[in-house]
Amino acid sequence: NAGVMQNPRHLVRRRGQEARLRCSPMKGHSHVYWYRQLPEEGLKFMVYLQKENIIDESGMPKERFSAEFPKEGPSILRIQQVVRGDSAAYFCASSERDRSRGETQYFGPGTRLLVL
Amino acid sequence: GEDVEQSLFLSVREGDSSVINCTYTDSSSTYLYWYKQEPGAGLQLLTYIFSNMDMKQDQRLTVLLNKKDKHLSLRIADTQTGDSAIYFCAANTGFQKLVFGTGTRLLVSP
Repeated sequence: NAGVMQNPRHLVRRRGQEARLRCSPMKGHSHVYWYRQLPEEGLKFMVYLQKENIIDESGMPKERFSAEFPKEGPSILRIQQVVRGDSAAYFCASSERDRSRGETQYFGPGTRLLVL
Repeated sequence: GEDVEQSLFLSVREGDSSVINCTYTDSSSTYLYWYKQEPGAGLQLLTYIFSNMDMKQDQRLTVLLNKKDKHLSLRIADTQTGDSAIYFCAANTGFQKLVFGTGTRLLVSP
């Protein structure tokens, strides 16, 4: 069973460009979460999605950031008009609806975004 | 909202036990997790504990939970150099998102 997959692993963008980060959850998982890790900091929650629905986006910046998890295909985190402050590692996690495991979240390897 | 805190650094010698501590503020947290992050890598789930448990042991790992003090610890027995990494404590508040501490950097010297 493949783990959570993210691509690209590294992404370099110039200020003003768009960044698209992709996440494929573990097989059988229908819940996807995005987190951001700034240098030397812990992970901060951004958004929680199920297929075709955004459940909780309380951690998403109000502008330039959007996320989707379509019926088919990976979840996408999209950052428009990137700025240097967007440079960070972006992690995706997935979980299944299993109360016995507390809906444990399994993380992907992350996408490291560098904005020049 | 939930706030999770950890000490920043811990240095031990190979073969010793390591104890990494974490405190949290929201008593309604149902699950508490420990993740390990090696340089440039993602987060590896090490173990978790449900809030109605006091202790959980898994091979070299022992998790202790003191609900009264909202204190969680991770003990690694016989620490090896391969255990050097950043260890994150995280709390699930029941609203699906995890709240992470800032991480404890464990350095194991030979």
